[in-house]
Amino acid sequence: EAGVAQSPRYKIIEKRQSVAFWCNPISGHATLYWYQQILGQGPKLLIQFQNNGVVDDSQLPKDRFSAERLKGVDSTLKIQPAKLEDSAVYLCASSLLLGAGQYFGPGTRLTVT
Amino acid sequence: QKEVEQDPGPLSVPEGAIVSLNCTYSNSAFQYFMWYRQYSRKGPELLMYTYSSGNKEDGRFTAQVDKSSKYISLFIRDSQPSDSATYLCAMSREEGAQKLVFGQGTRLTINP
Repeated sequence: EAGVAQSPRYKIIEKRQSVAFWCNPISGHATLYWYQQILGQGPKLLIQFQNNGVVDDSQLPKDRFSAERLKGVDSTLKIQPAKLEDSAVYLCASSLLLGAGQYFGPGTRLTVT
Repeated sequence: QKEVEQDPGPLSVPEGAIVSLNCTYSNSAFQYFMWYRQYSRKGPELLMYTYSSGNKEDGRFTAQVDKSSKYISLFIRDSQPSDSATYLCAMSREEGAQKLVFGQGTRLTINP
């Protein structure tokens, strides 16, 4: 079974630029999550999708972050404009609707200079 | 106060030792408890999943949950250098472990 795929793996941008990350979940997993993991901390949930609908985006900084999952499969997370404090690893995870756990991709390491 | 507290370490032990990793939490509504292992520059990997109080064993790994003390543990027996990683506890109030709250992670090194 293929795991969660993410791209790019690394990205360096200057502050105020925009950036987008892509995620392809495990086949058949209806629930998709985006997390932000700052160095030395645990992952923090940004947004959760159930199929193509948003279930929870309470911790998403909506003035600069946006995410979509148009066909209930792949998802894109965008930051515009980026700030220095957005430097982190952005992790995508997926799970079955009533799954026993979440399965994570390798993450995208973002550096904002 | 953070909802989930985890000693960041680092923790260094010799190969073959028994390792104990712990988390405490403040929200009594948490019912689902997980341990993830994260190797450097990789995503977290689910190791153990437990519901409510009790023990669960899987090979060299044992997870314990004590809801009365709001305390969870992961024990690793016969530790191997390949166990060197960051271990994250995570917990959820909801069925299906949907919205997870993670601890900070404990960085573990097993020395040959």
